[in-house]
Amino acid sequence: AQSVTQLDSHVSVSEGTPVLLRCNYSSSYSPSLFWYVQHPNKGLQLLLKYTSAATLVKGINGFEAEFKKSETSFHLTKPSAHMSDAAEYFCVVSRDWGSQGNLIFGKGTKLSVKP
Amino acid sequence: DVKVTQSSRYLVKRTGEKVFLECVQDMDHENMFWYRQDPGLGLRLIYFSYDVKMKEKGDIPEGYSVSREKKERFSLILESASTNQTSMYLCASSLRQFTSTDTQYFGPGTRLTVL
Repeated sequence: AQSVTQLDSHVSVSEGTPVLLRCNYSSSYSPSLFWYVQHPNKGLQLLLKYTSAATLVKGINGFEAEFKKSETSFHLTKPSAHMSDAAEYFCVVSRDWGSQGNLIFGKGTKLSVKP
Repeated sequence: DVKVTQSSRYLVKRTGEKVFLECVQDMDHENMFWYRQDPGLGLRLIYFSYDVKMKEKGDIPEGYSVSREKKERFSLILESASTNQTSMYLCASSLRQFTSTDTQYFGPGTRLTVL
């Protein structure tokens, strides 16, 4: 069965410093992996996705993530945080049953950015 | 741009009432989904539909039902609302059946409070 674990429930960084949000996954096959972001009082928006092509995936707003099969990880990074990056981030793995495009969401990591 | 709209942003109902949450997408997507989002638990799938009049249970279907009479519209029904159904409800859609790689597009959410 698939599962996803976000290792930090809350991360705080200063503006201009790097961001690292950690995610480990478990899957019995080659999954698709996603990062979604949710700004306060807004719907979820796709940041980036991995679908078995390049292992380094670039997303919107300067974010990127690297798929590491040996470590079963898909960590999200950004070289320099902006105040507008403050939001909740969800790591997501695709489900294999039913092939209906179902997703399993992690519990989320809240990113705070200090001025 | 894909647009997913939900009928209400905020809703307050009383225990035992029948509650309807409506979701409409405007991009001819095959799949539609209902999730609930609770702090510290991430998103959990309630029901999904891959075609008109078709529905499949997600991880937490108890106490809910759904209806999809038209391709663009997916309704979530709480037959008899209870206080433990107080939550944020998110609707999503994705383009193709039988694929795990498509992006899911989310509505802004309905915050339901059951008193």
